[in-house]
Amino acid sequence: DTGVSQDPRHKITKRGQNVTFRCDPISEHNRLYWYRQTLGQGPEFLTYFQNEAQLEKSRLLSDRFSAERPKGSFSTLEIQRTEQGDSAMYLCASSPRGLSYEQYFGPGTRLTVT
Amino acid sequence: AQTVTQSQPEMSVQEAETVTLSCTYDTSESDYYLFWYKQPPSRQMILVIRQEAYKQQNATENRFSVNFQKAAKSFSLKISDSQLGDAAMYFCAPAYSGAGSYQLTFGKGTKLSVIP
Repeated sequence: DTGVSQDPRHKITKRGQNVTFRCDPISEHNRLYWYRQTLGQGPEFLTYFQNEAQLEKSRLLSDRFSAERPKGSFSTLEIQRTEQGDSAMYLCASSPRGLSYEQYFGPGTRLTVT
Repeated sequence: AQTVTQSQPEMSVQEAETVTLSCTYDTSESDYYLFWYKQPPSRQMILVIRQEAYKQQNATENRFSVNFQKAAKSFSLKISDSQLGDAAMYFCAPAYSGAGSYQLTFGKGTKLSVIP
């Protein structure tokens, strides 16, 4: 396995701009999760995909956030009209089929909104 | 709300010694899994150990073991023969069935320092 990869690793943007992050899960993992981690805190769940279907969204995921997973492979997370409060580490994790429910994390994308 | 409490913000241990990190959680669900994750400074989250709530036997993974007390909703992590590479932030994270996602609910973490 090559592991979960995320791109970009760092993103600096100005308030009001749109940003898009990409996550490539471990191949054949059908479950994919997005989390957000702010400094000094544990990650918080944002959204969950099983294959290409987005099955669960957190209340943290405002209408400025949208996520997709076309064809059940890679996923993208877009934030429109970024705000300073969106500054955080955005983590992607994938999990294999079956009953283990272990999640394997990528390195994250650190977003700074100026 | 389902909460996770890690009551020790920081811990330290001498190299080669044993340390226990505590975690309690609150849920009314009966079907769930429990995980400990490790996050070294500026590095990605790594799975340390997993426990199924329906199993009475405590999980063990090399130098890492858990003490799972289901009735008390307690899930502590013991690290034996601590090594310098164990220094990291440790997160306790239950995964509940909920809507079927088994999303992780993280505590605030315990920062572990290993003293040479």
